[in-house]
Amino acid sequence: AQSVTQLGSHVSVSEGALVLLRCNYSSSVPPYLFWYVQYPNQGLQLLLKYTSAATLVKGINGFEAEFKKSETSFHLTKPSAHMSDAAEYFCSLRGGGNKLTFGTGTQLKVEL
Amino acid sequence: EAGVTQFPSHSVIEKGQTVTLRCDPISGHDNLYWYRRVMGKEIKFLLHFVKESKQDESGMPNNRFLAERTGGTYSTLKVQPAELEDSGVYFCASSQEGPDLAGGETQYFGPGTRLLVL
Repeated sequence: AQSVTQLGSHVSVSEGALVLLRCNYSSSVPPYLFWYVQYPNQGLQLLLKYTSAATLVKGINGFEAEFKKSETSFHLTKPSAHMSDAAEYFCSLRGGGNKLTFGTGTQLKVEL
Repeated sequence: EAGVTQFPSHSVIEKGQTVTLRCDPISGHDNLYWYRRVMGKEIKFLLHFVKESKQDESGMPNNRFLAERTGGTYSTLKVQPAELEDSGVYFCASSQEGPDLAGGETQYFGPGTRLLVL
């Protein structure tokens, strides 16, 4: 069985502050892990993906995530938040087969 | 290159009516997926087409849902008759067929269809 848990349905940070969105997973096979972002009225856009090539993955818009097998985590970070980062973020995994299993999403709010 | 498109963007229908959602994948993408997000919950897989064949329909909730992909191009998802619990956002995604060279094929998502059943 596979599952993804995103801690915190809402996260609020100040502009310029560190962004940390948490994701833990459970998978019976080595997983491929993804972070997607959804801006208002748009589709899900891939931020980054982990495919076992490197544990630290860099994505678009200054985001990165680190795969930690011992902690079954794949947290998303960005050193300095920008107003344009306000969106909903989804962690997902692909274990056996092609379908993605998603977490419940984290709404990121960036305040001045 | 055009992305994944979905039609309509919003649909409001009454319980018992029929609704058909359409998805046009990225040109050349053999894999097509349907997902659904019920409000406040996670996005859940419904089914997967490879070209015109259903590869995996394990996520389809019940037989009121019918998905087709004639000719291996666009896909439709029909809900008949619609129930209140069918409300949510229906996403379509597509990806290229082929060897998983780097692992983790990228699925490209459309903007979704927001369905409200009253």
